[in-house]
Formats: sequence, C-alpha cells, structure tokens
Amino acid sequence: KAGVTQTPRYLIKTRGQQVTLSCSPISGHRSVSWYQQTPGQGLQFLFEYFSETQRNKGNFPGRFSGRQFSNSRSEMNVSTLELGDSALYLCASSLDPGATNEKLFFGSGTQLSVL
Amino acid sequence: GDSVTQMEGPVTLSEEAFLTINCTYTATGYPSLFWYVQYPGEGLQLLLKATKADDKGSNKGFEATYRKETTSFHLEKGSVQVSDSAVYFCALRLNTGGFKTIFGAGTRLFVKA
Repeated sequence: KAGVTQTPRYLIKTRGQQVTLSCSPISGHRSVSWYQQTPGQGLQFLFEYFSETQRNKGNFPGRFSGRQFSNSRSEMNVSTLELGDSALYLCASSLDPGATNEKLFFGSGTQLSVL
Repeated sequence: GDSVTQMEGPVTLSEEAFLTINCTYTATGYPSLFWYVQYPGEGLQLLLKATKADDKGSNKGFEATYRKETTSFHLEKGSVQVSDSAVYFCALRLNTGGFKTIFGAGTRLFVKA
C-alpha cells in the first residue's frame, strides 16, 4: 500500500509569490491534516480536512488556505509569501476521523524556501 | 489554549544509558497522547500512544504513562542504542468541535557508541 505522497519535494519561491502544495493520502484514508515544521517552532497545526470539509484550523494568517477533493487528495496554498514561511510542510492522513486516539501517517514533506 | 511542552534538546547519552524525555500538556478537553519519532532521513512515525488516564503506551523498549493528575506523558527507555538517535515529538489529539493534533517542539536525541 502506498504511503502519503507529497509533491513537490522541494520548492524555491520569492517573496510575494504564491505556492500550492499537494498531498495524496493513503488509499482509504479520508482525513488529511497539514503541519508546518521549523527548527524553532517544531510542528505547528495548520488545518484538518474530512470529506472535503475543513474541520479545524490552527493559528495561521488567512494567507494559508487549503482544500480537499472528493478523492481525499488535498492541497494547501500560501499566498503573498514571506521569508518566515520557509519551512517543511508536512501532510498526514488518518483512517478513522472520529476518534481522538487516531494514528497519523505522515508524508515526507515539501521543503519550501522563500528568498 | 491547548499546548504541549517538552524538554529542550539536544540530549546526548552513551549507549545503554537510561532515557527520560519530559512532556507536559495543557488541554481543554480529554486528549489522547502520543509520541512520534523522526529518524534521520525518514518521515515522522508513531512510536506509542495512550488514550486515557493511567494507560501505558509501549513500543521498541520505550514507555510512557498517561498521568492526568500531573498532565504529563514522559517518555522513558531503560537502555538506549545508537539506532535510537532521532527527534522525538510529544503530541496530543482532541476534539474541539473539530479534531486537531498539537505537537511539542521536539527533542533531539544523540546516542554515542
């Protein structure tokens, strides 16, 4: 069974541009969540989706947005990039969204560098 | 708000030493607690979990007990190996009108031969 797939693996953008990252969950998983990982802040929760609906959102500005498609694939978008957006963006999927003890399966991430 | 605090690293130990990585949390509800691990060059993966008070999660010689009275979930291993060198993340997951998982900042562990 294929794992969580994130594309692209690396991205270099300049300030002011926008970027779209993609995540394909494990087959059969219907919940997808996104995280920003930086050396100083660790992993910070961005948002979680289930059945094309955003169920929860972290404390990030409106420049960060996402969506989920009917096949459970998800995209996140960052507009008007800032230097501080440079980070590893991780996507995770899970099988049963209705439980707090649900295990997350992570992708390898997209490393975004903003110059 | 909901948060996870874990001890700062890096932690450097010799092989066969005892390991403790402290983790405490603040949560508005009744969360499940997790330890995830990120080995060099690999993705984040679940190490162990516990879902209610006094539950003990265990895997690969690591253990952690859900302590509701002290809001803690400390990770322990009796004898570390070089292969345990990694970054360890404590996390909680709860439902606040929508599910979310909150991670600590991570603790890097180096084990010397």
